[in-house]
Amino acid sequence: EPEVTQTPSHQVTQMGQEVILRCVPISNHLYFYWYRQILGQKVEFLVSFYNNEISEKSEIFDDQFSVERPDGSNFTLKIRSTKLEDSAMYFCATSGLAVPSNTGELFFGEGSRLTVL
Amino acid sequence: GEDVEQSLFLSVREGDSSVINCTYTDSSSTYLYWYKQEPGAGLQLLTYIFSNMDMKQDQRLTVLLNKKDKHLSLRIADTQTGDSAIYFCAESSTGGYNKLIFGAGTRLAVHP
Repeated sequence: EPEVTQTPSHQVTQMGQEVILRCVPISNHLYFYWYRQILGQKVEFLVSFYNNEISEKSEIFDDQFSVERPDGSNFTLKIRSTKLEDSAMYFCATSGLAVPSNTGELFFGEGSRLTVL
Repeated sequence: GEDVEQSLFLSVREGDSSVINCTYTDSSSTYLYWYKQEPGAGLQLLTYIFSNMDMKQDQRLTVLLNKKDKHLSLRIADTQTGDSAIYFCAESSTGGYNKLIFGAGTRLAVHP
């Protein structure tokens, strides 16, 4: 069964350091997303990405965050200078088509846990 | 802004029915979803309902939608220990590229 894979599963970093979280989407999917969940809180939308550009982003996704698909396969989330409050589980998700138009589902990876010290 | 609320914990006996409730605020919600998260795994779509439906049944799962009260529920019949997980309610509206708004998740514990 096709799946979304994320690396690393857990990363510990010092405040101020750059972090790159990686996601390998399902091969024929076109839409890519990052969500995050701070421990004990809701899963929050960060950004959606289609056709090599950001489609939508939330208020959380400020200038410290960036996404790209550098080699046509990996989809990455970069946090330029991590803060303590960036500690969370980051989920990558992908879909073949936009859910509202065809009820296709979002496929989530297992998440990358980021701990900022 | 949009918000989705769920109770955080539910404990049921094996074989009983579980009912997980969710309320949302966005009146333009088009699709409402239930996702399941097992320990160490990602979120898996269980079922969804379109906003013009009142009910959807899929094997042991029954989704009820009260659009007037903006209330969504998930009923799991004959709950098994394998159903123990966190269940997330989520909603989306048209026009967004799958900007799902999630609740905090309900942890379902099934005991013998």
